[in-house]
Amino acid sequence: EVQLVESGGGLVKTGGSLRLSCAASGFTFSGYSMNWVRQAPGKGLEWVSSTTSSGSYTYYADSVKGRFTISRDNAKNSLYLQMNSLRGEDAAVYYCARQRDWYYFDYWGQGTLVTVSS
Amino acid sequence: QSALTQPASVSGSPGQSITISCSGTSSDVGDYNYVSWYQQHPGKAPKLMIYEVSNRPSGVSNRFSGSKSGNTASLTISGLQADDEGDYYCSSYTSRTTLVVFGGGTKLTVL
Repeated sequence: EVQLVESGGGLVKTGGSLRLSCAASGFTFSGYSMNWVRQAPGKGLEWVSSTTSSGSYTYYADSVKGRFTISRDNAKNSLYLQMNSLRGEDAAVYYCARQRDWYYFDYWGQGTLVTVSS
Repeated sequence: QSALTQPASVSGSPGQSITISCSGTSSDVGDYNYVSWYQQHPGKAPKLMIYEVSNRPSGVSNRFSGSKSGNTASLTISGLQADDEGDYYCSSYTSRTTLVVFGGGTKLTVL
């Protein structure tokens, strides 16, 4: 059974940093591109970042480029999102999602909540 | 403001059919057959319902179908059931710098 379990969310001050993790199991993690998608409270989904299966290529939404860094450790079946210079608009539930082919996501984690306060 | 435009809400009675539209541009929906649809129940993670415009993942009911015409994609749910109630999001690959765009979501109410 495919499982994605996020962790690392919490309360952080504006300008602060946070590192999210996603532990994957039930599939060959190193064979898939992985993504982070977020959802602000009461709002819609927003794609955040993507990394290829090897981690060689990474992609970011304009809203987080230069502040967030996606990475992965295939030996540990884990995906990460380092978030720096956090802003109020970054407050959201962050989902880890497995990517298939042309950017559709067939499995999602349960999400981890990031709260940003001043 | 979301890149793809969806109606804020739709409703239907049990057994009826409804269609949710998803309007994009020639940089996303219009130029690529990479539209997907997700269902989200309150407090839960999104669930993939349709990928590549009209394909259903294993385990998704054949009451769910997708189509596309020009810059607009559509999700149709036939034989509405109470459990279909929730939020639905469309998504598309895009040639813009942001590789993936989502719609703002449509709240489906089963009357």
